Amino acid sequence: EIVLTQSPDFQSVTPKEKVTITCRASQSIGSSLHWYQQKPDQSPKLLIKYASQSISGVPSRFSGSGSGTDFTLTINSLEAEDAAAYYCHQSSSLPHSFGQGTKLEIK
Amino acid sequence: QVQLVQSGAEVKKPGASVKVSCKASGYTFTSYAMHWVRQAPGQRLEWMGWINAGNGNTKYSQKFQGRVTITRDTSASTAYMELSSLRSEDTAVYYCARAGVYCSSTTCYTYHFDYWGQGTLVTVSS
Repeated sequence: EIVLTQSPDFQSVTPKEKVTITCRASQSIGSSLHWYQQKPDQSPKLLIKYASQSISGVPSRFSGSGSGTDFTLTINSLEAEDAAAYYCHQSSSLPHSFGQGTKLEIK
Repeated sequence: QVQLVQSGAEVKKPGASVKVSCKASGYTFTSYAMHWVRQAPGQRLEWMGWINAGNGNTKYSQKFQGRVTITRDTSASTAYMELSSLRSEDTAVYYCARAGVYCSSTTCYTYHFDYWGQGTLVTVSS
């Protein structure tokens, strides 16, 4: 089973700041890594697929990079509406798995 | 537009079973897979299993093997997740999530989860 470990668990940031969240896989997963945003009492929403591919309708300030075992989600010029939990997800092999989540608080 | 609409909240006693439905619309139901993911209070998302809506084949997490059954009704464009022998630790929000599917000659693979249901809270309490 592939374990995904995110860092940090929590971050308090100011608007317009740049944020970087990392996700490390316990073994190589190629580029089969996806990122989701989950706001309180809402379902997760797909932000980035296959490590770096953008999703229609998602603001361009969200970007992803990485391959193998190390991945990064970057949010450029953070906005107040970006307060949420962010999860990585691997679809390389069964069972699918998720990171523990990173909670972003806007100061 | 793609929509996944789940059934309402449930309260169950320990040892009982629960069956959650997920009605799909806005796309060809049998061309995709449906996954089930749960989230206990304050916990990470946890993958439970998936069904190929086209051929009905299923795969389950070893953690839930023997307790979870995922089915679908193609005439109703609806997927179901039934979890049996409920215990308090099963209290969680249960989500269905759509994924593209690709099948080779030997096995099938699914992709990212592009649409999610609104979630169904299942509370297990005596």
